[in-house]
Amino acid sequence: AQSVTQLDSHVSVSEGTPVLLRCNYSSSYSPSLFWYVQHPNKGLQLLLKYTSAATLVKGINGFEAEFKKSETSFHLTKPSAHMSDAAEYFCVVRAPNTGNQFYFGTGTSLTVIP
Amino acid sequence: DAEITQSPRHKITETGRQVTLACHQTWNHNNMFWYRQDLGHGLRLIHYSYGVQDTNKGEVSDGYSVSRSNTEDLPLTLESAASSQTSVYFCASRATANTEAFFGQGTRLTVV
Repeated sequence: AQSVTQLDSHVSVSEGTPVLLRCNYSSSYSPSLFWYVQHPNKGLQLLLKYTSAATLVKGINGFEAEFKKSETSFHLTKPSAHMSDAAEYFCVVRAPNTGNQFYFGTGTSLTVIP
Repeated sequence: DAEITQSPRHKITETGRQVTLACHQTWNHNNMFWYRQDLGHGLRLIHYSYGVQDTNKGEVSDGYSVSRSNTEDLPLTLESAASSQTSVYFCASRATANTEAFFGQGTRLTVV
């Protein structure tokens, strides 16, 4: 079975400080993993994806994530938060043994304090 | 530019009415999906299609149906709207099983 757990439903950081959004996954097979961002009243936009190549993945807007198989984690980080980063973030797993369906975490709401 | 569009963006309907939400993509993607987004649940899969005339049930398909008569469109129909179907609905498409998905802007549906 596949599942995704986002460990924090809300994260608040000050502008200019690091961001860490945590994601753990469960998958019977080698999964592909994604982070999507959703700004208020907008659709979901792909931030980055891991598909079995380099374990450290760089995405848009300075975000990156590291795939750690031993820890079944795919945490999203950014060295310095910007006000425009305030949004909802979703960790997603795509598992080949279930027709490559996407399984979404429940989301983490990021607040950036000026 | 290719895109995926949903209409309407907002809809209020009464309990028991039939409602259809439109999804149209111009990428010529084979795979299309409908999700609903509710607080505390993330996005949950309602129905999906891997090509014309192909439709499949997702995790929360009860009370919903879809049809795929062409590549570009996957309309979602609520046969008899219920208050439990008040939600934000997202359509998505992808070229193949191994590519990323692109999402529409969402449709906020309120059933009163």
